[in-house]
Amino acid sequence: QVQLQESGPGLVKASQTLSLTCSVSGASISRSDYYWSWIRQPPGKGLEWIGYVSYSRSAHYNPSLKSRLTISVDTSKNQFSLELSSVTAADTAFYYCARLAYSGGYDPDLFHPWGQGTQVIVSS
Amino acid sequence: QSVLTQPASVSGTPGQRVTMSCSGGSSNFGNNYVYWYQHVPGMAPKLLIYRNNQRPSGVPDRFSGSKSGTSASLAISGLRSEDEADYYCAAWDDSLSGSWVFGGGTKLTVL
Repeated sequence: QVQLQESGPGLVKASQTLSLTCSVSGASISRSDYYWSWIRQPPGKGLEWIGYVSYSRSAHYNPSLKSRLTISVDTSKNQFSLELSSVTAADTAFYYCARLAYSGGYDPDLFHPWGQGTQVIVSS
Repeated sequence: QSVLTQPASVSGTPGQRVTMSCSGGSSNFGNNYVYWYQHVPGMAPKLLIYRNNQRPSGVPDRFSGSKSGTSASLAISGLRSEDEADYYCAAWDDSLSGSWVFGGGTKLTVL
């Protein structure tokens, strides 16, 4: 059974860098048929896709966050990470990690499973 | 403002059938599939429907999805109390360099 668990500081000061890690168990992060993704939910709002990374470190980011964002993998620890720089109050959200898998097409399209999420508050 | 538009809330009584909508545009629903996720607050979101109308193993056939043009809907029949959750639609959007987009979510209340 694949499980994902987010970890990281729950409070980040404005203008600093938000760093989160997702630990994966039950599956190897090095498999070529999976991508690893971050998604967030600001308070009272819907979900927002942040980006994903493959085991080979090929990444694709949400254009609105791309200039501040780095998603990386650590195959030795079976983890992947998120770094979002120059944060503001608008980055306050629940952050989820999820595996992105193939349902049979050319591109991965299934966010499954997800972690339970971790809350990050950006303080001034 | 989410790219995909969902009603804020729907409600129903146990045993009833409810539907919820999701509307998009040509850059997302036009050539791409719709996906649905169920989220009980405090728990991990769960994949409910993929490729418009496919159910992953383990998802009851009470849940069904459909898509027509730039609109999609999720139907839940035989409503149960444990179905009370937030439901999100999602799709790949081809604009700019491409990205996944989600709806704002629909809160289902089982009365």
